Amino acid sequence: RKEVEQDPGPFNVPEGATVAFNCTYSNSASQSFFWYRQDCRKEPKLLMSVYSSGNEDGRFTAQLNRASQYISLLIRDSKLSDSATYLCVVNTFSGGYNKLIFGAGTRLAVHP
Amino acid sequence: NAGVTQTPKFRVLKTGQSMTLLCAQDMNHEYMYWYRQDPGMGLRLIHYSVGEGTTAKGEVPDGYNVSRLKKQNFLLGLESAAPSQTSVYFCASSSDSPYQPQHFGDGTRLSIL
Repeated sequence: RKEVEQDPGPFNVPEGATVAFNCTYSNSASQSFFWYRQDCRKEPKLLMSVYSSGNEDGRFTAQLNRASQYISLLIRDSKLSDSATYLCVVNTFSGGYNKLIFGAGTRLAVHP
Repeated sequence: NAGVTQTPKFRVLKTGQSMTLLCAQDMNHEYMYWYRQDPGMGLRLIHYSVGEGTTAKGEVPDGYNVSRLKKQNFLLGLESAAPSQTSVYFCASSSDSPYQPQHFGDGTRLSIL
């Protein structure tokens, strides 16, 4: 089983749609969680951290369920510029070191 | 704001050649990382460093070596390049807090013929 698993995608949605991505992780000792965005042939960039109480940043809402080891990202009112690959990332502090485990990503394509 | 800088941006090597990728960060971060990214796969950790003078193996270390002689620099070496090492390589850095995200360089595209 992969340590971080995501919906494979791609998700093809029209502008204005609401889309949700899911992610599960296997290590219950994981301490922090992030969503990164990666544009084609570019580096990953932090989209938002994910907090236990859930958090929102504009059109983006992230949720964490520690009991189910599940993370989600909701994008409302999708824009063409939201087209990218979204990476679920789990930070595990084990063996005294800080490690990020990346999901393979979910591709989103927003069309007019 | 430079952040994390990788050089070179692109390189083509022949099988058996050697090269070194350089990563430099100006954020005074303790942790530095080298990843590779292949089509359809998540980023995979090659090696990492938790401070100057220290290195450790990640998920896919074979065929690579690293050095962290200065806090701001993390070098990735390929001693004898193989076609299987054709990939996009990303360097990242972070503070020593487990709750902080990593900051990435813009990648090195490496092709081994």
